[in-house]
Amino acid sequence: AQSVTQLDSQVPVFEEAPVELRCNYSSSVSVYLFWYVQYPNQGLQLLLKYLSGSTLVESINGFEAEFNKSQTSFHLRKPSVHISDTAEYFCAVSESRVFGNEKLTFGTGTRLTIIP
Amino acid sequence: DAGVTQSPTHLIKTRGQQVTLRCSPKSGHDTVSWYQQALGQGPQFIFQYYEEEERQRGNFPDRFSGHQFPNYSSELNVNALLLGDSALYLCASSPDNQETQYFGPGTRLLVL
Repeated sequence: AQSVTQLDSQVPVFEEAPVELRCNYSSSVSVYLFWYVQYPNQGLQLLLKYLSGSTLVESINGFEAEFNKSQTSFHLRKPSVHISDTAEYFCAVSESRVFGNEKLTFGTGTRLTIIP
Repeated sequence: DAGVTQSPTHLIKTRGQQVTLRCSPKSGHDTVSWYQQALGQGPQFIFQYYEEEERQRGNFPDRFSGHQFPNYSSELNVNALLLGDSALYLCASSPDNQETQYFGPGTRLLVL
């Protein structure tokens, strides 16, 4: 069984400041890792994912995350945040298998609040 | 290209009633998964359908059942509703053998 821990339930950050949202996972097998973002009263949107290859993955809106196998972490970072980044961020893990579509296991989320 | 759609957007039921939620997957996607997101929590996996069969199931009671139609759309049924079933129900779709799931906007269910 897998599990995901997002230690920070809320993170307030000043606009244009950097931010890091922490994610640690536990699994006995190889995994795929995902970050999803949820804006108020909306569903989940995929932000970025790690499947294989380069351990540093980037999104189109300036976020990046680095897969660290030894520390079982997949922290999300952005060098300069904007008001529009205010949202709930969820880290998720699935088992990597020959066939995809494994269920996602989510963390409890981190609410990112940008302070003007 | 339409994304994942869900209906209805909101629903209010009373304890003991039954509810049916609907999901249309993204074009080209044949696998549908359902998740329950309680207030302030991360989504919890309910089950997954592929080729009209339940392929995986999470830790939910038999009151939760589903169906997938030949056009890949899906329904989630919940019987004997409890107050604790109040949540946002999310549908996600993906092509078979692809790792990434794409989510719909969800159906918010309130049980009174």
